[in-house]
Order: sequence, then C-alpha cells, then structure tokens
Amino acid sequence: GENVEQHPSTLSVQEGDSAVIKCTYSDSASNYFPWYKQELGKGPQLIIDIRSNVGEKKDQRIAVTLNKTAKHFSLHITETQPEDSAVYFCAASTGGSSNTGKLIFGQGTTLQVKP
Amino acid sequence: DGGITQSPKYLFRKEGQNVTLSCEQNLNHDAMYWYRQDPGQGLRLIYYSQIVNDFQKGDIAEGYSVSREKKESFPLTVTSAQKNPTAFYLCASSWGPAGGTGELFFGEGSRLTVL
Repeated sequence: GENVEQHPSTLSVQEGDSAVIKCTYSDSASNYFPWYKQELGKGPQLIIDIRSNVGEKKDQRIAVTLNKTAKHFSLHITETQPEDSAVYFCAASTGGSSNTGKLIFGQGTTLQVKP
Repeated sequence: DGGITQSPKYLFRKEGQNVTLSCEQNLNHDAMYWYRQDPGQGLRLIYYSQIVNDFQKGDIAEGYSVSREKKESFPLTVTSAQKNPTAFYLCASSWGPAGGTGELFFGEGSRLTVL
C-alpha cells in the first residue's frame, strides 16, 4: 500500500539553530502535503501545508519544500525556540480524487529544543 | 468555543470487554475520522465518515466499529476482537475530505489501556 517515511525519529537542537525533518512518499498521485505539530497531551495541529503545484512555502520561521520528481518534502524550522519542542508529523494525500482522498501520515519526529 | 471533544481522556478495560470512545464536534464539519497513535508508527486511520449514515474502513479497521447517526457525533467501539487495543485514539473532523483540501481538526485524544 501507499506509505510515507519520515526521518529522523528524534531530533535535538540548540535554541536558535535550525531543524529539518524529511519525508518521502510513494503515491505519485499525491498532491497535498500537510505538516502537523503535536504538543504533549494534545491532538495534532496543522502548522503548514503545500500543494503539488508549488515548490516551496514559507510562514515566518517555518518553511516546507517539495520535490515531486524525487517524491520527497521537508519541513524547515529556523531560529528554533523551546516552544517548538513537540512531535511533528508529515502527511501525504492518497486515494485518487480529492473527493475520496485520505491522508497517510509519517511515523513522527520528536523535536527537542535545548535552551 | 468550537472544537472537538473526546471522552473519556483515560480508560481502562479488561480483556474481552467492548468499550466505546465518544467524539463530538460543533464545527459543523461533514467529515469525521478516527486515528490510532502508537509510538513510532504515526497516525493510522481506523474509520472515516464523509457524511451522516455513511462511513468507510480505513487501514486498520479490524476489531473496531463506528456509527454516524448525527453530524456532530462519531463514536468508536473497540471490540474484544481487537487483538492489541492499548493505544492512544484520536478523533478528527474536516470540512471536506482530508486528502483533498480539508485541514484536520483533532481532539485531545483518549488513552485506552487494556489490563
């Protein structure tokens, strides 16, 4: 079946450094790629997403890049802060048309930002 | 406040017992979903419903059942047929299908432990 691979599983950085999380997907028809952040004891929350007609999208300290040819996309967080510490999930749409599409999630990355 | 409410937050069950997890949303969303979260495995789709009185199996539906009698409610029953039910369960909703344009809004989850 379709799948999404996410790396690394854990990431520790110093406050102020950058963090990069990478995902690869298998369904060449995937056209929607969201990133979710899950803080301790809470449900995941969408932080940024990108569609297949765009190569890069930025929102303040967060950016996502997409390489459709290689079927991978990445989350970049610059100037990390302790409040960025959380579990991050990538996802890719699958299942064909947008009326029936589902999301396949990656395994998650636990990001720790050390003050 | 609009959102998704899951209950109970923690639940203990003896082997052989069925248990029902509640999920209610007041966001007027058409679509609702149940995900299972296990360490290192990301979020896996159990069941989803795009409209009242209709639902589809996700990737790991065996041992689970759902109903969608009202737009606001999408309860999940974990049956005794589920071989490894101990997990963190997340309910979500979206305007449209999650694989298309629909951002997922998650509840805070229910942690089920089988004793």
